[in-house]
Amino acid sequence: DIQMTQSPSSLSASIGDRVTITCRASQTIDKYLSWYQQRPGEAPRLLIYAASTLHSGVPSRFSGSGSGTDFTLTISSLQPEDFGTYYCQQSYSTYIFGQGTKLNIK
Amino acid sequence: QVLLVESGGELAKPGGSLRLTCVASGFTFSDYYMAWIRQAPGKGLEWISYISNTRHTIQYADSVKGRFTISRNNANNSLYLHMNTLRADDTAIYYCVRLLIIGEQEAFDVWGQGTAVTVSA
Repeated sequence: DIQMTQSPSSLSASIGDRVTITCRASQTIDKYLSWYQQRPGEAPRLLIYAASTLHSGVPSRFSGSGSGTDFTLTISSLQPEDFGTYYCQQSYSTYIFGQGTKLNIK
Repeated sequence: QVLLVESGGELAKPGGSLRLTCVASGFTFSDYYMAWIRQAPGKGLEWISYISNTRHTIQYADSVKGRFTISRNNANNSLYLHMNTLRADDTAIYYCVRLLIIGEQEAFDVWGQGTAVTVSA
């Protein structure tokens, strides 16, 4: 099975900060990579698919990049509603999620 | 409004059975692959099964293969998960999820609110 490893596992940031989360696949997955946000007590929400395509309705401060084994999710200017846990997920071979990155208020 | 509403989660005993139901609205259910994803308390997300729109293609994660069965009824916009031989590590919130397929790309674009399954004696 393809393993997905996110880093960091948690981070603290302030409103207005630029935030980057990375995701590494254990083998190449081309661009079969999605990112999700999960706020406490809520279901996950799709942010980005195909590594860099912004899902409908997602603010443009979110962006994704990468291909092969290394991917990043960037939030250009952190807003209060952006706090929560972020997951990457590969769809190259079935569906495997990363362990999550918890984004906290500093 | 696109909506997925799950039900059927409850307390069950180890070795027992449950059936989860998801009712879809706001989109043409028969056009979409559907899936179940679960999240154990305080843990991450785990995909467990998907079914194609025509029911011809079904896959399971190894952790539930042989114990869980996914099915759907396009006539009443419903997705099901039949869970047998339940174990304590099946305790989780179970999400009904729509699978968005664009070309070769796939992503889970619509999620229900989840239904909680607890397996305990």
